Amino acid sequence: GAGVSQSPSNKVTEKGKDVELRCDPISGHTALYWYRQSLGQGLEFLIYFQGNSAPDKSGLPSDRFSAERTGGSVSTLTIQRTQQEDSAVYLCASSSQGTGGGEQYFGPGTRLTVT
Amino acid sequence: GESVGLHLPTLSVQEGDNSIINCAYSNSASDYFIWYKQESGKGPQFIIDIRSNMDKRQGQRVTVLLNKTVKHLSLQIAATQPGDSAVYFCAEDAEGYNKLIFGAGTRLAVHP
Repeated sequence: GAGVSQSPSNKVTEKGKDVELRCDPISGHTALYWYRQSLGQGLEFLIYFQGNSAPDKSGLPSDRFSAERTGGSVSTLTIQRTQQEDSAVYLCASSSQGTGGGEQYFGPGTRLTVT
Repeated sequence: GESVGLHLPTLSVQEGDNSIINCAYSNSASDYFIWYKQESGKGPQFIIDIRSNMDKRQGQRVTVLLNKTVKHLSLQIAATQPGDSAVYFCAEDAEGYNKLIFGAGTRLAVHP
């Protein structure tokens, strides 16, 4: 079956512009996560959605970052007024289990470059 | 604060040898740990996981060891193959709902 997909795969934007990154999780997965990976670094948690519950936004680095998940499926991560330090690979993952562990399936990521 | 770190940033091994990748974690309350493999240009791929009520778990050619006393996690890969070359991340679930904290990663280079 289809895995997690993300679009676009690459995005180059000018400093100050807004960007939207999309994630299509595996069908039926109730949990969805966004992570950020800077060059040569590990993954940094950004936000977590579980079903219809309020999302855990504790990892968002600033109020320029926001995310939505519509209809419990597709999610969009929005970065407003992008800065050069926002350049990174943004990874989305989904899981059939939101609690108690369980494998997270990652998408290929969106590489964001802010010039 | 919570952190997950790795002792060796780069590990070079000969094909056929066994590899051991180490990881230290700081949150003693973490009860779930995972190893991921990430190849260039791809998202992380699940390798193996272990819960805190276990100290060892085996998969196909991989074994994860957990030492809660010293908060140490290791990944052993038997008969390492060129296809094992990648960056390996350990991660801990510190809050019980899969909010993972990742280490910085270890690059494994397998030489023929």
